Amino acid sequence: DVKVTQSSRYLVKRTGEKVFLECVQDMDHENMFWYRQDPGLGLRLIYFSYDVKMKEKGDIPEGYSVSREKKERFSLILESASTNQTSMYLCASGQGVRTEAFFGQGTRLTVV
Amino acid sequence: QKEVEQNSGPLSVPEGAIASLNCTYSDRVSQSFFWYRQYSGKSPELIMSIYSNGDKEDGRFTAQLNKASQYVSLLIRDSQPSDSATYLCALWGPGSARQLTFGSGTQLTVLP
Repeated sequence: DVKVTQSSRYLVKRTGEKVFLECVQDMDHENMFWYRQDPGLGLRLIYFSYDVKMKEKGDIPEGYSVSREKKERFSLILESASTNQTSMYLCASGQGVRTEAFFGQGTRLTVV
Repeated sequence: QKEVEQNSGPLSVPEGAIASLNCTYSDRVSQSFFWYRQYSGKSPELIMSIYSNGDKEDGRFTAQLNKASQYVSLLIRDSQPSDSATYLCALWGPGSARQLTFGSGTQLTVLP
């Protein structure tokens, strides 16, 4: 079974803090994705990567950055957390082009 | 127009009935389509993928794809209370973009 693991299930951070969300997959997948999910807005793509050190902006990249130094790990960085970044963050991974993705358990981030 | 549109629901069906979930998309070149199920507080899990026109059956689930009309649907036969969840339609794209784009989801409740 594919295993995608996010470092925290729940996280509470203060406004202005730098926040790191980590995601690790164990299937040697090329593609990794970061989404946020908010009520009524569905899943919105923040960033994705299809290779080590490669990154592509999704639909809502503002206020976020990413890092992919190793194939199995994809990190989402909130440079200066703000209250409007309070959300559920979901990492996913997949192999190849036009194939499905598998999700981690999610990180519920609260910025106070 | 959104890339992926779903009937927003919520949708309620009695136990044992057929639940029909619909999704339309705007990009004619989309090739790969997926249905995910998401229970409250959990991350999405893949239930069906479909790549060719027609029907694809897996147990009680049938996915239908019509590329000419740009819609994809999911039928759940003999609906059970355990099927109560939000169902997310997703496609690879838009265009040549290497990303998975989601609809906003349809909440299904199966009434005992």
